[in-house]
Amino acid sequence: QVQLVQSGAEVKKPGASVKVSCKASGYTFTGYYIHWVRQAPGQGLEWMGWIKPESGDTNYAQKFQGRVIMTRDTSINTAYMELNRLRSDDTAVYFCARDLEREVRAWFHPWGQGSLVTVSS
Amino acid sequence: SVLTQPPSVSAAPGQKVTISCSGSSSNVEYNYVSWYQQLPGTAPKLLIYDNNERPSWIPDRFSGSKSGTTATLGITGLQAGDEADYYCETWDSSLSTVVFGGGTRLTVL
Repeated sequence: QVQLVQSGAEVKKPGASVKVSCKASGYTFTGYYIHWVRQAPGQGLEWMGWIKPESGDTNYAQKFQGRVIMTRDTSINTAYMELNRLRSDDTAVYFCARDLEREVRAWFHPWGQGSLVTVSS
Repeated sequence: SVLTQPPSVSAAPGQKVTISCSGSSSNVEYNYVSWYQQLPGTAPKLLIYDNNERPSWIPDRFSGSKSGTTATLGITGLQAGDEADYYCETWDSSLSTVVFGGGTRLTVL
């Protein structure tokens, strides 16, 4: 079955960087966009951007421009989201999600299980 | 949030509930709307896409509709397992970003 499995929880200090991985299985990795969405504790969902695994093309939400880098390794069917210059308000669960169709529609299915990133001094 | 949802709704088991998602001409009115269910401690799950399309694994108790700048999620035959947070989502053409509603907590009384 189509599945996304993310890396584990991380604790980082303010100013540091974090890199979260998202390993895909059950489908052709290069055929579908991967999005990243985060959720702060007790808060709603916030879209961060997408990567097109076939080409490596990316589109970042303006809020994260200059701080986020999305990459992929097609040899191991894995997407990555790196967030730099971490602040306390970056504490959140970070989800990867695949687009439902081959075009970028932002119809998210399936989702990874989430990776908790805690930023604390 | 750019998209406005009621913070909470409630209804008794077996009843019907609707959740609204109010936006504008730059998002809801001219772009596809999706809906997600998030059970406590889990990742969101796609319920509705393309305004009113339901994935094959989602029961027909769930439906989506849109009129102008407001999209609506309907749930009939409420069950205890429907207690969750529900989010609408679409593209905002002015902001050039995906936007989510603030979420609605459904309580089954």
